[in-house]
Amino acid sequence: QKEVEQDPGPLSVPEGAIVSLNCTYSNSAFQYFMWYRQYSRKGPELLMYTYSSGNKEDGRFTAQVDKSSKYISLFIRDSQPSDSATYLCAVLILTGGGNKLTFGTGTQLKVEL
Amino acid sequence: DGGITQSPKYLFRKEGQNVTLSCEQNLNHDAMYWYRQDPGQGLRLIYYSQIVNDFQKGDIAEGYSVSREKKESFPLTVTSAQKNPTAFYLCASSSGLSPLHFGNGTRLTVT
Repeated sequence: QKEVEQDPGPLSVPEGAIVSLNCTYSNSAFQYFMWYRQYSRKGPELLMYTYSSGNKEDGRFTAQVDKSSKYISLFIRDSQPSDSATYLCAVLILTGGGNKLTFGTGTQLKVEL
Repeated sequence: DGGITQSPKYLFRKEGQNVTLSCEQNLNHDAMYWYRQDPGQGLRLIYYSQIVNDFQKGDIAEGYSVSREKKESFPLTVTSAQKNPTAFYLCASSSGLSPLHFGNGTRLTVT
């Protein structure tokens, strides 16, 4: 079983739709949760970063963490064509030997006019 | 502008040749990382360094080597021992518990 599971998509939605992107993880010791956005041929850029269960909102983006279910989500409201990208979830655990960051495989999103 | 610079953006090499990918950061971050990204496999950690003159193997270090002689620089060498070197390589840096900041990658093609 992979430590982080993410549906690869592709996911295609019309402009203005609410998008829900999801990941599950297997290790309850993971402490920090991130969402990155990656445009084609570019490096990932950080969208959201949280360490607690619950919701964190930033503009049109909401990150949701449910530690009891080991489930993390990213919601995008009023989706725009510029949101078309690959979205990567990542989970972080602090260890004596350094921080261990594990990524999901990414979900490809296309927002169509 | 603070950030991570990876060069070149595209790199082509013949099989059997070693090649070095450059990564420079001006964020004053202590830790630097190299990831490899292949379609459908996400990001896989090759090597990381938490301090100058020290580095550790990641999950897929075989066929790769690194050095960390300066805080700002963390070059990655893809050796001829790497069986499937064609990939998108990403360099990242972080400080403490801050999330990773990524460069824009180098796409390496080996034929």
